[in-house]
Amino acid sequence: QVQLQQWGAGLLRASETLSLSCALKGGSFSGNYWSWFRQPPGRGLEWIGEIDQSGTTNYSPSLKSRLDISIDTSKMQFSLKLTSVTAADTAMYFCARSVTYYDMSTTMWGEWFDPWGQGTLVIVSS
Amino acid sequence: SSELTQDPAVSVALGQTVRITCQGDNLRTYYPTWFQQKAGQAPILVIYPKNKRPSGIPARFSGSSSGNTASLTITGAQAEDEADYFCYSRDSSDNRVFGTGTKLSVL
Repeated sequence: QVQLQQWGAGLLRASETLSLSCALKGGSFSGNYWSWFRQPPGRGLEWIGEIDQSGTTNYSPSLKSRLDISIDTSKMQFSLKLTSVTAADTAMYFCARSVTYYDMSTTMWGEWFDPWGQGTLVIVSS
Repeated sequence: SSELTQDPAVSVALGQTVRITCQGDNLRTYYPTWFQQKAGQAPILVIYPKNKRPSGIPARFSGSSSGNTASLTITGAQAEDEADYFCYSRDSSDNRVFGTGTKLSVL
């Protein structure tokens, strides 16, 4: 059973770098993208970015300039770095496996995220 | 990016049926996905493309779509179903978009 376990610093000062990691247990990185999300207190989910086994990344346009997602297949983990944080970056951060699906009969795409890490609350103080 | 619009809050009596909807232009061309999230916990996948349920998700959860509206139906809601529910899709610019979320109360 695939599981994701995440960790990282939970309290930062403005201008510091947020750093989180997510360990994959019970599976392999191949064939999927591995994503990061965040959820500010009381608000909805936001996709941050993703990486695949080869290191190919896709980033949210709004965060791209501050974002670095990396993968270490030897350690079975992938990581998120977000530089120059502000109070607006205060949120619960989650990692998850991304699965993409293409239906040839309808030519429609779909995507889901499962499983998820347990979440890490990151608070940025000004 | 386009929005996926959900009712902020919905309530249902214990054992009754409730439908949670999600509206978005790109739902005509991109399959929706549904997540359940309880307070302080990570989201859980409850419906994935073509209205399928992951193993472990009770059969009372079902999904459907019509035009630009996706629906999550809980038939015979239980107390443990009280949670926030989010839909997900991509918009016409291929941006990843989550719905605004629906808080379900089971009375």
